[in-house]
Amino acid sequence: GAVVSQHPSWVICKSGTSVKIECRSLDFQATTMFWYRQFPKQSLMLMATSNEGSKATYEQGVEKDKFLINHASLTLSTLTVTSAHPEDSSFYICSALPPSGRPLNEQFFGPGTRLTVL
Amino acid sequence: AQSVAQPEDQVNVAEGNPLTVKCTYSVSGNPYLFWYVQYPNRGLQFLLKYITGDNLVKGSYGFEAEFNKSQTSFHLKKPSALVSDSALYFCAVRDMDDYKLSFGAGTTVTVRA
Repeated sequence: GAVVSQHPSWVICKSGTSVKIECRSLDFQATTMFWYRQFPKQSLMLMATSNEGSKATYEQGVEKDKFLINHASLTLSTLTVTSAHPEDSSFYICSALPPSGRPLNEQFFGPGTRLTVL
Repeated sequence: AQSVAQPEDQVNVAEGNPLTVKCTYSVSGNPYLFWYVQYPNRGLQFLLKYITGDNLVKGSYGFEAEFNKSQTSFHLKKPSALVSDSALYFCAVRDMDDYKLSFGAGTTVTVRA
């Protein structure tokens, strides 16, 4: 099956610093990746859609200058939380969409990254 | 617009008993429906999906779900629950013309020994 990895799996940082989270599709190329945010015991909220070689599409209410997304290759998308604050603490999950067989393909999810901002 | 409702925050069952997790959906076109399971501090694991065809879909770990178009439902079922099935379950929907998934709020399943 398709495997998606995230790095790091958890990170603790000080308020005001920036944190980069990587999402990689290990055995397939993904022209489209998605970034989700999940608060404890809550559902996943889509933050943005990341397309290889173009700018990300952000959902309403998501600050694009705070959550920088770069999809530089067909197997890597990064999410950078800039000037992180405690309210940014959350579980961030990425998913990747294989290009072949559209539109029936399912998203494959990474294991998530737990961000704690002190 | 598309949306998913999971009316139960929690479902508690005894091991060996049938398990049902409810899901209803709203979508403008034809729905693609998914069930995922999440264990603590882990990502989502795919269980099953409905795209087209037979309304009864069989998935991983003995789970199945039935697509009911008239009731706009896609309930997840397992005939005999295991303690290891205890987890958070998400139903998700997407319109056939859109890749974005909309998730339900999630249902916590607890299976007691």
